[in-house]
Amino acid sequence: AQSVAQPEDQVNVAEGNPLTVKCTYSVSGNPYLFWYVQYPNRGLQFLLKYITGDNLVKGSYGFEAEFNKSQTSFHLKKPSALVSDSALYFCAVRDVLNTGGFKTIFGAGTRLFVKA
Amino acid sequence: SQTIHQWPATLVQPVGSPLSLECTVEGTSNPNLYWYRQAAGRGLQLLFYSVGIGQISSEVPQNLSASRPQDRQFILSSKKLLLSDSGFYLCAWSVQSGGPGEQFFGPGTRLTVL
Repeated sequence: AQSVAQPEDQVNVAEGNPLTVKCTYSVSGNPYLFWYVQYPNRGLQFLLKYITGDNLVKGSYGFEAEFNKSQTSFHLKKPSALVSDSALYFCAVRDVLNTGGFKTIFGAGTRLFVKA
Repeated sequence: SQTIHQWPATLVQPVGSPLSLECTVEGTSNPNLYWYRQAAGRGLQLLFYSVGIGQISSEVPQNLSASRPQDRQFILSSKKLLLSDSGFYLCAWSVQSGGPGEQFFGPGTRLTVL
């Protein structure tokens, strides 16, 4: 079964510093990986995805993620954190339904705090 | 462009009362639709998904049910709410098979059962 793990409940970083939110995955076959962000009392927003190709994927709001097959990781990164990046971040992997559609397996989430 | 709506935004209901949450999607056809529950602002639990009208699959046995009466309408219901049904309910859609599967979420409904 497909799964993702986010080993950190919380990440703290100072504004202007680089940030990394970690994710590891376990899949059978080729992974379809995603990152989502959730601001307080809002729905999740899609940030970026990896399907195939370049291991460095660029997404919304200046975020990027690095796919590492040997380490089965898909860490989210940003070169310079903003206070407004403070939110809950979810790593996710696609799972195929028997009925032909998709469902998404989400990690437990990592809360990012960016301090001014 | 596609949009997804959920209502109501917040709801306070007594234990034992019925529930109906609605989700509609605009700007796309034949989407996959999903209901999630998020407790305590953390992990998401997939409750139901649907690949077409009248086709509902349940992920976990529970006090809730779902229906898809129209292509872009997804309804979450309960006949009698429990305290444990409190949470943040999220609806999402994705393209049908052939797409990469990213999901697009509605704004959510916060349900408090007293």
